[in-house]
Amino acid sequence: RKEVEQDPGPFNVPEGATVAFNCTYSNSASQSFFWYRQDCRKEPKLLMSVYSSGNEDGRFTAQLNRASQYISLLIRDSKLSDSATYLCVVNDNAGNMLTFGGGTRLMVKP
Amino acid sequence: DTGVSQDPRHKITKRGQNVTFRCDPISEHNRLYWYRQTLGQGPEFLTYFQNEAQLEKSRLLSDRFSAERPKGSFSTLEIQRTEQGDSAMYLCASSLTVFYGYTFGSGTRLTVV
Repeated sequence: RKEVEQDPGPFNVPEGATVAFNCTYSNSASQSFFWYRQDCRKEPKLLMSVYSSGNEDGRFTAQLNRASQYISLLIRDSKLSDSATYLCVVNDNAGNMLTFGGGTRLMVKP
Repeated sequence: DTGVSQDPRHKITKRGQNVTFRCDPISEHNRLYWYRQTLGQGPEFLTYFQNEAQLEKSRLLSDRFSAERPKGSFSTLEIQRTEQGDSAMYLCASSLTVFYGYTFGSGTRLTVV
């Protein structure tokens, strides 16, 4: 079983749609959770941290469910510029490094 | 420029040659990481430094791979006797603490022909 699992997609949605991605992780001791965004042939960039209480940043909402060991990302009112790969990320047991999921590809169409 | 810098951006090499990549982290960051990413996959951890000490290495890091961070500032990743399977994007990242996430450099794209 992979440490961090994501549906690779692609998710094809029209502009203005709401889209949600889920991710599951295997390490119950993980304490830090993130969503990164990666554009084609570019480096990953931190989109947002994910807190136990959930957090929102504009059109983006992240949720954490520790009991079920999954993380979600909700994007409201999708823009063409949201087209990218979204990487789910958790820290390892010792807290020293981050493990990345394979990414979920989003394509927002006009 | 206060970001993470990687050099070169692209490298094409013949199979069997040695290559070396450089990473300059954000100056205040004591943690430095190397990852490898192939098409359609997420980044895979290779190795991690805290200051000049290499504290963790992945099983992915074969004997042909070596990394250094001699003075706790920049780091180099060397691949000896390159193979076609080494073709990938090599990403460097730095952080103060993993709890705030990483900042990545632009990566070095290696093509072994």
